[in-house]
Amino acid sequence: EAGVVQSPRYKIIEKKQPVAFWCNPISGHNTLYWYRQNLGQGPELLIRYENEEAVDDSQLPKDRFSAERLKGVDSTLKIQPAELGDSAVYLCASSSPGRQGEAFFGQGTRLTVV
Amino acid sequence: GENVEQHPSTLSVQEGDSAVIKCTYSDSASNYFPWYKQELGKRPQLIIDIRSNVGEKKDQRIAVTLNKTAKHFSLHITETQPEDSAVYFCAASHRDDKIIFGKGTRLHILP
Repeated sequence: EAGVVQSPRYKIIEKKQPVAFWCNPISGHNTLYWYRQNLGQGPELLIRYENEEAVDDSQLPKDRFSAERLKGVDSTLKIQPAELGDSAVYLCASSSPGRQGEAFFGQGTRLTVV
Repeated sequence: GENVEQHPSTLSVQEGDSAVIKCTYSDSASNYFPWYKQELGKRPQLIIDIRSNVGEKKDQRIAVTLNKTAKHFSLHITETQPEDSAVYFCAASHRDDKIIFGKGTRLHILP
């Protein structure tokens, strides 16, 4: 069984440019999370989906960040425009129904804003 | 909302000795406590977890304990080996699946 797949693995962009990250969760996992992990820190939740519904986006900086999971499967996280402080690893994770809280992570996208 | 504190931030132990990492949480409604291991440049991976209806769980060299009254839980690694060197994160989760992570403990196993 494939794990959580994210792309790209690495992205370098200039500030003020847009960027998008893609995530395909484990098949059958209805809960999808986007986390941001700064260097030396723990993952911080940005948004959580139950199927196609964003049930918790309280930590998402909505002025520049957006996310979608239109068909309740794969998801896209976008930043527009990017700022220097957005440099981090963006992790996607998923969990299955009935396995509350047991998240499986993708490899992450390392974003560098210059 | 939930807040998870983790200590220490860095821990060095001699190979073969035990390591203990401690976490506290703020929300008494949290009922699931996973531990993740993250090696350099890799994804966090679940290594062990505990639910609020038990006080202790063991899996080979690793064990977790939970004190619901005090709202703290701990990871214990015995007979440490070089491959145990990594960053360890504790986390707390509600029934609603929100997972809040601690800031991590960098564990160094010394030869």
